Amino acid sequence: DTGVSQDPRHKITKRGQNVTFRCDPISEHNRLYWYRQTLGQGPEFLTYFQNEAQLEKSRLLSDRFSAERPKGSFSTLEIQRTEQGDSAMYLCASTSKEDTQYFGPGTRLTVL
Amino acid sequence: QQQVKQSPQSLIVQKGGISIINCAYENTAFDYFPWYQQFPGKGPALLIAIRPDVSEKKEGRFTISFNKSAKQFSLHIMDSQPGDSATYFCAATAYSGAGSYQLTFGKGTKLSVIP
Repeated sequence: DTGVSQDPRHKITKRGQNVTFRCDPISEHNRLYWYRQTLGQGPEFLTYFQNEAQLEKSRLLSDRFSAERPKGSFSTLEIQRTEQGDSAMYLCASTSKEDTQYFGPGTRLTVL
Repeated sequence: QQQVKQSPQSLIVQKGGISIINCAYENTAFDYFPWYQQFPGKGPALLIAIRPDVSEKKEGRFTISFNKSAKQFSLHIMDSQPGDSATYFCAATAYSGAGSYQLTFGKGTKLSVIP
């Protein structure tokens, strides 16, 4: 059973550097979400893809953030000019339906 | 504005006891209410979910009770075990109008089951 996978699991970077995360959804899932979770909080929605189209972005997704899903398979989330406030767990979830979302293990980002 | 309010923030239950976590929502457009379990360093895992057309759903030791008029729902964990110690999140979703069914999460409840 191959679930959602994310890479890397942990990333430590210095302020001002660019980072990129990858998400591989469950193979038959055409819907993909990115969320951000800070310590002691629930995940917060960042952006949504249906196939390769990015259909929705949260106000949390500043201009320094960009996400892609080429060919409607894996997705990448890039953060440019990282800030300490970007430190969080970045979660990817996928689904083939409107409701049930399956989450990956997340990428823990620490910005020094 | 927090759309899903969860309580308590933390909960300590003895092994074999019943754990109860409550959530309240404001957006009447929400039409799917899942509960997620999260262990430290892991992603949330779907535990059980309910739609507002039923008042209760049971799966093994886990039960969701749903009160549509009060806009409240709760998770009951029967015969709680130390392995249930984790953070539990309630969530809700509705069609956003822009294409997604994004989840809105509560702030979480850290459950500790003591032997």
